[in-house]
Amino acid sequence: NAGVTQTPKFRILKIGQSMTLQCTQDMNHNYMYWYRQDPGMGLKLIYYSVGAGITDKGEVPNGYNVSRSTTEDFPLRLELAAPSQTSVYFCASSYGQAMNTEAFFGQGTRLTVV
Amino acid sequence: AQSVTQLDSHVSVSEGTPVLLRCNYSSSYSPSLFWYVQHPNKGLQLLLKYTSAATLVKGINGFEAEFKKSETSFHLTKPSAHMSDAAEYFCVVSDHGSSNTGKLIFGQGTTLQVKP
Repeated sequence: NAGVTQTPKFRILKIGQSMTLQCTQDMNHNYMYWYRQDPGMGLKLIYYSVGAGITDKGEVPNGYNVSRSTTEDFPLRLELAAPSQTSVYFCASSYGQAMNTEAFFGQGTRLTVV
Repeated sequence: AQSVTQLDSHVSVSEGTPVLLRCNYSSSYSPSLFWYVQHPNKGLQLLLKYTSAATLVKGINGFEAEFKKSETSFHLTKPSAHMSDAAEYFCVVSDHGSSNTGKLIFGQGTTLQVKP
């Protein structure tokens, strides 16, 4: 009963390095999301996808890229890491279209850029 | 556009006393509303959701919330706090308007402290 799985759980990056945060879900959800959480703030939407092959920008997309080649996977790419990207990242999925369908969250990836 | 405002960034209660976490929302459509809880260094867990079937919604761990359209509020309550309730709580509205992306819009969060 895996749900939404994120890897890695922790990562330290140097400025200018790149990395991919992995997210996979086994609930056959069409809708997937990436959020970031900064201290004392709510979650901000980075990118989302309403199905395989379809992605769109959220509230804070700058510095990130995503792809959605399969229903299960929704990786988040950081190309040139900056200290402002130090945050906790959450991936989520949902059935999406129907009202009142909740999102299921992964355990988060804590990223530090130094 | 939808938005949500949590009126208190920090709430402190004694164990065994009632909990009230306040949330107001703004939505052009009949809203989908949720409360999520986040324990330290953990992911987010759904506490309850408003389904429009009833204005008083019961969730897990003894929490409940009342939807009041006239006040655009969705406050979270619990009759008696337990030490394990100490966590961050998020009020959330979902985008089910014309774009219907299902995007969740989060409030800033309320930190609940429970004192022995």
